[in-house]
Amino acid sequence: QVQLQESGPGLVKPSETLSLTCSVSGGSISNYYWSWIRQSPGKGLEWIGYIYYSGSTNYNPSLKSRVTMSVEMSKNQFSLKLSSVTAADTAVYYCARLSSSSWNTLDYWGQGTLVTVSS
Amino acid sequence: DIQMTQSPSSLSASVGDRVTITCRASQTVTSYLNWYQQKTGKAPNLLIYSASTLQSGVPSRFSGSGSGTDFTLTISSLQPEDSATYYCQQSISSPFTFGQGTKLEIK
Repeated sequence: QVQLQESGPGLVKPSETLSLTCSVSGGSISNYYWSWIRQSPGKGLEWIGYIYYSGSTNYNPSLKSRVTMSVEMSKNQFSLKLSSVTAADTAVYYCARLSSSSWNTLDYWGQGTLVTVSS
Repeated sequence: DIQMTQSPSSLSASVGDRVTITCRASQTVTSYLNWYQQKTGKAPNLLIYSASTLQSGVPSRFSGSGSGTDFTLTISSLQPEDSATYYCQQSISSPFTFGQGTKLEIK
């Protein structure tokens, strides 16, 4: 059974860079797309983007100028960096597997990690 | 971006009731429509993909229908554990946008 686990600082200062890592266990990161989604407190879901295991990326245009995703194959991990954060970036951040062979569904999710942007 | 609109935003129903949630896309998504269930404090969980295909392990009381721009999620006989927020999501065109959610409460 594939499992995902987000990790990273829970508190980030305004204007700094948010950095999160998603560790994948129970399966290889190869041959799949991997996504980040966030959910602001009490709000709905916002798709941030995805990265293929080879490193190709697709970002939400609304965040594209501030987002960088990367893959670390040797560690079976992928990462998210979001620069120049503001309070509006406070959210629970989820990593998930995107199954392109199954209608681009998000079929496995991490438990989520709350990131608060505050000085 | 494709806008996804769900209705209602919230509803309350009794155990055993038949419940229907609708989702409308601002342009056609053919059958690239997925439904997720999110319980309080948990990550979303995939229920239905390609508009009507039940994800493995999901109870058969859940069903989905529709194509193009109009879709429905139906729970045939509501159970207490179905209390959650339900989201539709289109996955035909990046960014893969979600509906705003429908919060389902059990009376």
